[in-house]
Amino acid sequence: EVQLVESGGGLVKPGGSLRLSCAASGFTFSNAWITWVRQAPGKGLEWVGRIKSKSDGGTTDYAAPVKGRFTISRDDSKNTLYLQMNSLETEDTALYYCTTGFCSGVTCHYDDAFDVWGQGTMVTVFS
Amino acid sequence: QSALTQPASVSGSPGQSITISCTGTSSDVGGYNYVSWYQQHPGKAPKLMIYEVTTRPSGVPDRFSGSKSGNTASLTISGLQAEDEADYYCSSYTRSTTLVVFGGGTQLTVL
Repeated sequence: EVQLVESGGGLVKPGGSLRLSCAASGFTFSNAWITWVRQAPGKGLEWVGRIKSKSDGGTTDYAAPVKGRFTISRDDSKNTLYLQMNSLETEDTALYYCTTGFCSGVTCHYDDAFDVWGQGTMVTVFS
Repeated sequence: QSALTQPASVSGSPGQSITISCTGTSSDVGGYNYVSWYQQHPGKAPKLMIYEVTTRPSGVPDRFSGSKSGNTASLTISGLQAEDEADYYCSSYTRSTTLVVFGGGTQLTVL
């Protein structure tokens, strides 16, 4: 079964740090580009950032509100993705999902169609 | 404020059809055929319903269909069923450092 499982959420004060993990199973993790999406309580979905596979350069891209504060990394030996969050703000309070797309034939939809999602891990930033 | 604009809510009776719009710009919806739609039931993760504007993933009923005209994409659900009641989000690839933008979401109520 294809699965993503997030962990590491919790309560943190403004200015603090937190590292989220996303454990993958059931697919070739090393080939996949993985994305973080968050959802503030009662609000919509927001793209946070994405990391490419190492074979595609392993580069990262981030949304403007988190750029310079959040870092996405991966450990393909552990089939695990990480989101290091520093200088947290109250606006970062959200349920954080990791998600990935798929390849169909020669076309991959890693940046436009997310068909595997974890259950999310909640991050609450409060003073 | 979300990058893509969706109506906050729509409603319909069982068996009827509804359409949810998603309006962006030429830098996202209008510039790429990479519009997707997600269904989210309360307390659940989003589920991909449509990608590449019109394509349904395996397992998604053909009652769900997508289209696009200019900077506006649309999701149509025909033959509404009670289990269709959920929040629906559109998304688009975009020409910016934020690679993907989402709509604010539309709450569908099946009367």
